[in-house]
Amino acid sequence: GESVGLHLPTLSVQEGDNSIINCAYSNSASDYFIWYKQESGKGPQFIIDIRSNMDKRQGQRVTVLLNKTVKHLSLQIAATQPGDSAVYFCAENLAGFQKLVFGTGTRLLVSP
Amino acid sequence: GAVVSQHPSWVICKSGTSVKIECRSLDFQATTMFWYRQFPKQSLMLMATSNEGSKATYEQGVEKDKFLINHASLTLSTLTVTSAHPEDSSFYICSAKLAGNSYNEQFFGPGTRLTVL
Repeated sequence: GESVGLHLPTLSVQEGDNSIINCAYSNSASDYFIWYKQESGKGPQFIIDIRSNMDKRQGQRVTVLLNKTVKHLSLQIAATQPGDSAVYFCAENLAGFQKLVFGTGTRLLVSP
Repeated sequence: GAVVSQHPSWVICKSGTSVKIECRSLDFQATTMFWYRQFPKQSLMLMATSNEGSKATYEQGVEKDKFLINHASLTLSTLTVTSAHPEDSSFYICSAKLAGNSYNEQFFGPGTRLTVL
């Protein structure tokens, strides 16, 4: 189950599997959402974004799904590779405030 | 494109001293830059929003006299941690928003690891 603070939720998968990372966001008025990947000791790296008027967006090997009814965002990674191992954060943009609020993060571990 | 750099990448200082961290957008202009702090195994927490040519906007609980922010140009923002103490030890990350971009797409720097002894 999920927890906050010092205990990051962890998803462990085998190389080649598809991964799904979930995020519950807090503000129904948020208008823009971004998924970031963060490797140890580095800054967040943009993966994919989605605006609130969409429910799905696809990139290279990644898909983001947005369910505004239940305020849920997911990131799907196809054919997960060891290089995908990192912590993944969702972020929501608070409309009218122009600031990002980050989720607690999920650690993805990919074993060969 | 859209590269953000930070300097230094790490710094160790003595308690009571001040430390300046620079954030630069290398290939684009950023009217708005943001400063975040991240403690180990935790998420990024926004400290302040920095707009070029004006005073920074600080988040609740962040002391503006302790964390001085200067955004003097469209490509440079600095964060100065004044009278640093061990509890200020953290990973400080800046980001920059493309000027004219209506959505809050932010490009992040590589972070600065601050250790206060």
